[in-house]
Amino acid sequence: GAVVSQHPSRVICKSGTSVKIECRSLDFQATTMFWYRQFPKQSLMLMATSNEGSKATYEQGVEKDKFLINHASLTLSTLTVTSAHPEDSSFYICSASGGAGTQYFGPGTRLLVL
Amino acid sequence: DAKTTQPNSMESNEEEPVHLPCNHSTISGTDYIHWYRQLPSQGPEYVIHGLTSNVNNRMASLAIAEDRKSSTLILHRATLRDAAVYYCILPSRLDTGRRALTFGSGTRLQVQP
Repeated sequence: GAVVSQHPSRVICKSGTSVKIECRSLDFQATTMFWYRQFPKQSLMLMATSNEGSKATYEQGVEKDKFLINHASLTLSTLTVTSAHPEDSSFYICSASGGAGTQYFGPGTRLLVL
Repeated sequence: DAKTTQPNSMESNEEEPVHLPCNHSTISGTDYIHWYRQLPSQGPEYVIHGLTSNVNNRMASLAIAEDRKSSTLILHRATLRDAAVYYCILPSRLDTGRRALTFGSGTRLQVQP
């Protein structure tokens, strides 16, 4: 299957700093990528849809100014958590859209904000 | 969007078949049925999908009821590596034409040696 990578795999940062997470589709072009967040013992929650060359679409309740998404190329989408706080600590997962609703997921990035 | 209902958890023994059920009584005629699984501390992994006919691939089989209101994911011989949360999802169409996935709570499969 298609391969999606994420970098970094885990990050620890101080409260108030910004953290950038990269999502790359390694062997195919993805016009649409998705960003999810998963808290411990919970399911994945869709945060936003990242569209190449246009603005991201955010789900209800997700602050677009806090979670900045850039999809500058067909193989790269980035999520920047601005002014991170301890409540932003979570497992962030990206996916790239294949055909017929199929999505290929990255391995996830674990963020811990101290 | 059509919703799915799955049991919270199931147990299986290693080397035995596992049948994971999913109800989707409000499914529409154009909804595909997708299955993903998530191993601990990993991103979800695509397993299989289908529309009307039963489907087979190297990972699993998908049996779809004739009225499409339910489906069953079949793992033919469970291994310890199959222990995961399995999600049955009906992707919803976005304005762009792409389809988004809404994850429910899934079924946590435990495999006993």
